[in-house]
Amino acid sequence: DAKTTQPNSMESNEEEPVHLPCNHSTISGTDYIHWYRQLPSQGPEYVIHGLTSNVNNRMASLAIAEDRKSSTLILHRATLRDAAVYYCIPTVNRDDKIIFGKGTRLHILP
Amino acid sequence: GAVVSQHPSWVICKSGTSVKIECRSLDFQATTMFWYRQFPKQSLMLMATSNEGSKATYEQGVEKDKFLINHASLTLSTLTVTSAHPEDSSFYICSARDWQGPNAYEQYFGPGTRLTVT
Repeated sequence: DAKTTQPNSMESNEEEPVHLPCNHSTISGTDYIHWYRQLPSQGPEYVIHGLTSNVNNRMASLAIAEDRKSSTLILHRATLRDAAVYYCIPTVNRDDKIIFGKGTRLHILP
Repeated sequence: GAVVSQHPSWVICKSGTSVKIECRSLDFQATTMFWYRQFPKQSLMLMATSNEGSKATYEQGVEKDKFLINHASLTLSTLTVTSAHPEDSSFYICSARDWQGPNAYEQYFGPGTRLTVT
C-alpha cells in the first residue's frame, strides 16, 4: 500500500483559499488519489478523487503533480464549516477499501 | 447524493451485554459495506469488509467472534458487539459502496454510532 505524508494540522483564515498538501511518493501508476474529510463527531465525507489530471468539483479542486508523487487539495474559499480532518488516501483500484491515515486537521479562523 | 444511515446514533450498555448497530444504504444498493472504529483523537480503523450474502472479512487483530457482522440484504449490514466491555467504547462508523450509476465505486459513510459501555 502506498504511504502518505500530510501535515498534522493547518490553519487558514475564513474566506481565503486553502492548499492541503499530501505526499504519496510510493504511489504506483494506477493508484487513485482520494480525499475525504471528517467533520467533528460525524462520519467521513467524500471530497474528490483523481488519477492523473487535475480535477474540480463543487467542493474543491485536486491538483496532482506530474510525477504523481504528491497532490494538493484546494478549497477555494474556506468557511468555518470546512474545519475538519482531511485525509489523502491512495487506492489501488477504485473499488479498493479505504484505509485512513492520520490526516490533516484544518482550523479555520474567523 | 447517496445516503448511508446508522441506528442508533448513540447507545449506552452495561458490561457483558451485546449491542447491535445497523447500517443502511437508503437510496442505492450496496453489495459491499465496511465497518470502522474510531477512538478519541485517533483516525478511523477498518475492522471488516462485509459482502452481501457471504461471510465478512476481518482485518488483522479484529476478533470476529466478538464483532459479528451480518449483511443479509443489499441495503442492510449489522454489527453486533458481543459481551461488550468498557474498552469497546468507541465511535463505530459504517460505509457502503455504490456499484452503479454516475457514482459507481464511491464509498459513502454513515454518521456513526457512539457506543459507551459502563
